[in-house]
Amino acid sequence: EIVLTQSPGTLSLSPGERATLSCRASQSVGSTYLAWYQQKPGQAPRLLIYGASSRATGIPDRFSGSGSGTDFTLTISRLEPEDFAVYYCQQYGSSYTFGQGTKLEFK
Amino acid sequence: QLQLQESGPGLVKPSETLSLTCTVSGGSIRSSYYYWGWIRQPPGKGLEWIGSLSYSGSPSYNPSLESRVAISVDTSKNQFSLKVTSVTAGDTAVYYCARHSITTTFAFDIWGQGTLVTVSS
Repeated sequence: EIVLTQSPGTLSLSPGERATLSCRASQSVGSTYLAWYQQKPGQAPRLLIYGASSRATGIPDRFSGSGSGTDFTLTISRLEPEDFAVYYCQQYGSSYTFGQGTKLEFK
Repeated sequence: QLQLQESGPGLVKPSETLSLTCTVSGGSIRSSYYYWGWIRQPPGKGLEWIGSLSYSGSPSYNPSLESRVAISVDTSKNQFSLKVTSVTAGDTAVYYCARHSITTTFAFDIWGQGTLVTVSS
């Protein structure tokens, strides 16, 4: 099983700042099968990024994904108030596994 | 606009079988472009994939749950279902159904709102 480790566990930032979230895989997942999701309290996850770097429909361009192999990054260029949430990475190249999540909170 | 809706009992007794159904509306379940899956989330914890299937293919399951899980599809009702046998308190979670699509390289692009299932006597 491919284990995904996200860091940091919690990220404290202010609106307007840049957020960088990391996801590291225990073995290579290539670049096609890595996704990022956003989850707000009481809501289902929402797909942000698929294929490591492609934005899903309707996702603002302040969200971007990068990486390949075992190291991936989600970047939010300028935080908006609605961006404070929990973010999960997921690999779907070998079965399906999720990272443990990064909570993005107001500083 | 395709939508997914989970339904089923919110309370299940230990050792019994948890049964949930996901109804697909606004589109057909019968497409080779899509797979249909179940994911769960224990209260305050992260996401765990349970299993997935296409309308015509065999299901695939999380190896950690495979011995207790079954997913099936009913194309006549545009629904797919989940059964988890011999449940324990550890199966208490919000259960989501979701679609994964070839257009998003099979990431989960549409989710249901989720339904909380509590295992308790």
